[in-house]
Amino acid sequence: NAGVTQTPKFRVLKTGQSMTLLCAQDMNHEYMYWYRQDPGMGLRLIHYSVGEGTTAKGEVPDGYNVSRLKKQNFLLGLESAAPSQTSVYFCASRGPANNQPQHFGDGTRLSIL
Amino acid sequence: AQSVTQLGSHVSVSEGALVLLRCNYSSSVPPYLFWYVQYPNQGLQLLLKYTSAATLVKGINGFEAEFKKSETSFHLTKPSAHMSDAAEYFCAVIFMNNNAGNMLTFGGGTRLMVKP
Repeated sequence: NAGVTQTPKFRVLKTGQSMTLLCAQDMNHEYMYWYRQDPGMGLRLIHYSVGEGTTAKGEVPDGYNVSRLKKQNFLLGLESAAPSQTSVYFCASRGPANNQPQHFGDGTRLSIL
Repeated sequence: AQSVTQLGSHVSVSEGALVLLRCNYSSSVPPYLFWYVQYPNQGLQLLLKYTSAATLVKGINGFEAEFKKSETSFHLTKPSAHMSDAAEYFCAVIFMNNNAGNMLTFGGGTRLMVKP
């Protein structure tokens, strides 16, 4: 039972480089989310998706793009990485009911030099 | 603005002592409330949730939380701390109004340390 899988687990980038983080879930969930976690700030929502082919902005979307071409996958892209994007990124998914909890992946540690 | 506040970024207790982690939210409409735990280098795991049923909610690992509407609180407790409880704990809320994606709003987290 894989749940939510994030790849890669670690990555170091130079300023200005681009990369894509992949999130895959095998629970047939409609809702998927990307968060960043920074010390003392909890998790902040970057973008989310309520279904295949749809995306929407969260609290801190600037500098990121997302795509949901397949229901099971949610991609987070950094077009031109900046040191301020150094963080731990978490993906989560959830079923259709409002009271269902989100299921989280193990995170991607990203450092921008 | 709607917000979630966890009082105390670090809490230290002795093994066997009561654990109390505080969470308050700002909303006039009762939300859905969750507590998550994060162990080092791992994702978040659900401890328990409140979704408008019983106000005292029991979760995994002996934790429980009580929803108090009058105090807009959802504090997490455990009668007797164990060394394995050392982790970071997050309170998270789904506010009911103007929330198209049923987004979670997180508190800043509380790191629980357990002394032998």
